[in-house]
Amino acid sequence: ELKVEQNPLFLSMQEGKNYTIYCNYSTTSDRLYWYRQDPGKSLESLFVLLSNGAVKQEGRLMASLDTKARLSTLHITAAVHDLSATYFCAVAGGGSYNTDKLIFGTGTRLQVFP
Amino acid sequence: EAQVTQNPRYLITVTGKKLTVTCSQNMNHEYMSWYRQDPGLGLRQIYYSMNVEVTDKGDVPEGYKVSRKEKRNFPLILESPSPNQTSLYFCASSFLPLYSGNTIYFGEGSWLTVV
Repeated sequence: ELKVEQNPLFLSMQEGKNYTIYCNYSTTSDRLYWYRQDPGKSLESLFVLLSNGAVKQEGRLMASLDTKARLSTLHITAAVHDLSATYFCAVAGGGSYNTDKLIFGTGTRLQVFP
Repeated sequence: EAQVTQNPRYLITVTGKKLTVTCSQNMNHEYMSWYRQDPGLGLRQIYYSMNVEVTDKGDVPEGYKVSRKEKRNFPLILESPSPNQTSLYFCASSFLPLYSGNTIYFGEGSWLTVV
């Protein structure tokens, strides 16, 4: 059974600091998604990582994927208040027509304070 | 504009009263899913559809039904809602299967409370 674990669950960080959110998953997969969710809102797609060693960056966020370690990271550089949100990783499990699914981590609630 | 539209957005209902949450997408996507989001559990897949008349159970299908009679619509049916189905529900669609790594579009969410 594919399981996805995120940590930390809560992250309170000061503006200007750096931090990393970790996403571990239990079975082989090379399809990993990162989403952002603001309170009461839908999910906003941040990154899709499609192969081992993939790295993508957008603004202060950088995501990477290590399929051998079954680990993805979301690195935050010089955090600003606007980054306050809940971040989810999700792994595409199955890999076949009749077992297609997206397994989400529990989410990391990030709060950035001055 | 590419959209996944859910209705209703907010609903308070009573135990046992059948309800349907509609989901419609305007992108001609074949793949559609329903998820529920609960605190501390992330999103969990309820049902999945690969095309018209083709559906499959996700991880938490108990108490739910779906149908896919048209490509654009994928309603979620709660035949006899119970309080443990109080949750935030999301519909999602994509052009290719989820394992392809393509963009997945999510609806705005439907807050459902069963009392």
